[in-house]
Amino acid sequence: DSGVTQTPKHLITATGQRVTLRCSPRSGDLSVYWYQQSLDQGLQFLIQYYNGEERAKGNILERFSAQQFPDLHSELNLSSLELGDSALYFCASSVQPTGNYGYTFGSGTRLTVV
Amino acid sequence: SQQGEEDPQALSIQEGENATMNCSYKTSINNLQWYRQNSGRGLVHLILIRSNEREKHSGRLRVTLDTSKKSSSLLITASRAADTASYFCAPGGTGRRALTFGSGTRLQVQP
Repeated sequence: DSGVTQTPKHLITATGQRVTLRCSPRSGDLSVYWYQQSLDQGLQFLIQYYNGEERAKGNILERFSAQQFPDLHSELNLSSLELGDSALYFCASSVQPTGNYGYTFGSGTRLTVV
Repeated sequence: SQQGEEDPQALSIQEGENATMNCSYKTSINNLQWYRQNSGRGLVHLILIRSNEREKHSGRLRVTLDTSKKSSSLLITASRAADTASYFCAPGGTGRRALTFGSGTRLQVQP
C-alpha cells in the first residue's frame, strides 16, 4: 500500500456518460497529480493541484475537469466519454509542489468505455 | 519538453545478469528520478539523483548522471525475475512543471 488511495479500481461505462474518479493523497502530501496511461499514448500528465489550487496543466481535454478539496482529496471528472478514453488513470501525490522528493502513485482506476 | 526518453525500449536478460537502461533528456534539471511499473500497477519511485551528484546506489540499483551529456543510466545488478517491469526516468526541473514520463524500458528477466 503506497498510501495513495484511488477509487474505484475498475469502472465500465458507456459512451457519452460521465464518471468521477477519486484520489486521496498520502498523509502529509499537499500536491496531487493526475495521469492517463493508454496503450498507444504512454503515461500522459493531465493536471496538478497543490493545496487546493490548480498548479500545472498538461494534455487534459476540455471534457475533463478536476478539483482538490479542503481535505486534500481530489476528483477527476470525465464527461461525454468516448471509446478512446478507455485507459488507466493514476493519481500521484508529493509533499512539495515541485515533486523534487519524488511522487507516490496510487494503484490506478481502470476505465473501460463501451 | 522535459520528458525523458528511455533506451532501449525493451530488454530481455537471464536471471543473475545485469540490466542497464539509459535515459536522455533535453532541458536543465534539478534532479532525475527513476520509477518502476509492474504490469497494470502504479509507478513506484526507485531512486532520485540530484544534478550535483554523479552516481548513487540503492541496494542492487546504481544510477549515474552526466549533466554535460544530459543522460542517465540505471543499472540493476544480479537481476531477479521479480525485476520484470517497465522502468521510467523523469527529469525533475525547476518551475511549475510536473514530472512527465516517456514510454519506458520494458525489462523481462527470464528465470
